[in-house]
Amino acid sequence: AQSVTQLDSQVPVFEEAPVELRCNYSSSVSVYLFWYVQYPNQGLQLLLKYLSGSTLVESINGFEAEFNKSQTSFHLRKPSVHISDTAEYFCAVSDGGTGRRALTFGSGTRLQVQP
Amino acid sequence: DGGITQSPKYLFRKEGQNVTLSCEQNLNHDAMYWYRQDPGQGLRLIYYSQIVNDFQKGDIAEGYSVSREKKESFPLTVTSAQKNPTAFYLCASTNREAASTEAFFGQGTRLTVV
Repeated sequence: AQSVTQLDSQVPVFEEAPVELRCNYSSSVSVYLFWYVQYPNQGLQLLLKYLSGSTLVESINGFEAEFNKSQTSFHLRKPSVHISDTAEYFCAVSDGGTGRRALTFGSGTRLQVQP
Repeated sequence: DGGITQSPKYLFRKEGQNVTLSCEQNLNHDAMYWYRQDPGQGLRLIYYSQIVNDFQKGDIAEGYSVSREKKESFPLTVTSAQKNPTAFYLCASTNREAASTEAFFGQGTRLTVV
């Protein structure tokens, strides 16, 4: 069975400061890893994903995440945050084998960017 | 534009009533999913369907039912057996053939028991 742990439920940070949102996963098979973002009362939007190849993946709005197989982690980072980055962020894992293919989500991290 | 439409956006249910949440997609995706979101618990899988006329229980299926009569539609019924139905419900779809493809989500339905 797969599981995802997001270690911080809330992360307050000042505007233009760097931020890291932590994600660890466990799985007995190969996995695909995702970060989704959710704004209040909305659905989830894909931020970035790791499928294979380079362990560092980037989004178009300055976020990046690094897949670390030995530490089973997929932490999300941004060197300088904006007020508009305030949202909830979910790490998710998908079974890369022949399982049910549904995403397993972490409990989410609320990023609060303060001026 | 392709996407997933959930309706209604807000729904109020009285104790003992069944209610049905709608989910329609025009992405031509085979697989569809229902998740429940509660504060601090992330998203939990209720039911999923990988093909028309077939669906499987997820992690928290008790008190819920679904149908998949058409590829585009995957309605969720919250029955009176669901003890704590107040939550935010999200529908999603993916390309069934590739576990690596992203899931597309609807805007959600917020259900409140009154």
